Amino acid sequence: GENVEQHPSTLSVQEGDSAVIKCTYSDSASNYFPWYKQELGKRPQLIIDIRSNVGEKKDQRIAVTLNKTAKHFSLHITETQPEDSAVYFCAAPRGGTSYGKLTFGQGTILTVHP
Amino acid sequence: EAQVTQNPRYLITVTGKKLTVTCSQNMNHEYMSWYRQDPGLGLRQIYYSMNVEVTDKGDVPEGYKVSRKEKRNFPLILESPSPNQTSLYFCASSHSGGPTNYEQYFGPGTRLTVT
Repeated sequence: GENVEQHPSTLSVQEGDSAVIKCTYSDSASNYFPWYKQELGKRPQLIIDIRSNVGEKKDQRIAVTLNKTAKHFSLHITETQPEDSAVYFCAAPRGGTSYGKLTFGQGTILTVHP
Repeated sequence: EAQVTQNPRYLITVTGKKLTVTCSQNMNHEYMSWYRQDPGLGLRQIYYSMNVEVTDKGDVPEGYKVSRKEKRNFPLILESPSPNQTSLYFCASSHSGGPTNYEQYFGPGTRLTVT
């Protein structure tokens, strides 16, 4: 099965700095890698995802990079703002392409200080 | 409004008393899942369903049951709850495939306490 490791578990930055969260996965057949954001007391919501046919995807201040050879993918947030404070989860599908069967990372608590 | 709903939102119960948490989605999604969220462990999938009458175990299925008799509903059943099932539970749904959309839509969560 898929094993997803996420680091760091907590990350504290100053407003305007960049934040990077990294995940590694074990199943080389995996080809879809989403990132979810969970604000305090709220449900997780998809913020960005990437498929294995591209190495990088960007959406305004957030970007995700994928290294299939090393089996890791990372979330990059630039020009962080206090509203970016949340828990971030990465995920990968178990069984490679079964998108309903997601294994999530342990989560990263991001705190952005004004 | 497209949404996933769960009931109840909060539940305190005692060990061994059977309970059901309901989940419903109005987006005609094929996939539905149940997760539990515990501090430091992230979201762990309990069960998932690919369509009506098709279910499979996730990472932590022990002590739980599910059924998918209708496409929109996916109840989670705890036949004999134990304190280690105290957790925050999320239901989620998604399309089964296609080139663009695999996003999981989560319900608001059910906080369960078993004493």
